[in-house]
Amino acid sequence: EAQVTQNPRYLITVTGKKLTVTCSQNMNHEYMSWYRQDPGLGLRQIYYSMNVEVTDKGDVPEGYKVSRKEKRNFPLILESPSPNQTSLYFCASSPPTSGSYNEQFFGPGTRLTVL
Amino acid sequence: QQPVQSPQAVILREGEDAVINCSSSKALYSVHWYRQKHGEAPVFLMILLKGGEQKGHEKISASFNEKKQQSSLYLTASQLSYSGTYFCGTALISSGSARQLTFGSGTQLTVLP
Repeated sequence: EAQVTQNPRYLITVTGKKLTVTCSQNMNHEYMSWYRQDPGLGLRQIYYSMNVEVTDKGDVPEGYKVSRKEKRNFPLILESPSPNQTSLYFCASSPPTSGSYNEQFFGPGTRLTVL
Repeated sequence: QQPVQSPQAVILREGEDAVINCSSSKALYSVHWYRQKHGEAPVFLMILLKGGEQKGHEKISASFNEKKQQSSLYLTASQLSYSGTYFCGTALISSGSARQLTFGSGTQLTVLP
């Protein structure tokens, strides 16, 4: 089944304890992206990647890191989480195009709470 | 800059129509529409590109006014399954080849029987 998977789905942690949220897609998509969703603010893009070893900042990259060493994986790293990073996180991927945009497929989400 | 969606919320009866608007203060390359049901991930509805190209579902219609940097999503003869939060995402011409999307804060649509 074609899908985007995220792990863990739920995580409660404490301030300053490094964590990684994994994202994997099995559709051979080139484009992958991370969003956070907060009430009243909609989806805000954190980082995106247009291909292996190519990553760029979105609208809210502060406090986050990403890497794209393999096409299928795009982990989100919080090196020193803080309470303001408590949020619902979505990973998404999109098939390759000739440079234009295409439909994004979203993962199920990861609900992160930082105490 | 985040696009502005209106209305913030709308309540309909089954069979009624609704229009959701999305506007930007900057020149847009494309507008993307997604629907999210409670507790689920957003699901793609449509992309409208500068120049008139559209990608999306046949039963969902939308418009893109390039002069006004506005898009409208039209939901006709609404069904209970249409309930959810609708998000527009915008890509700016100034972003060039970067594929950066900025989403609005959403419009909550509730369809009552």
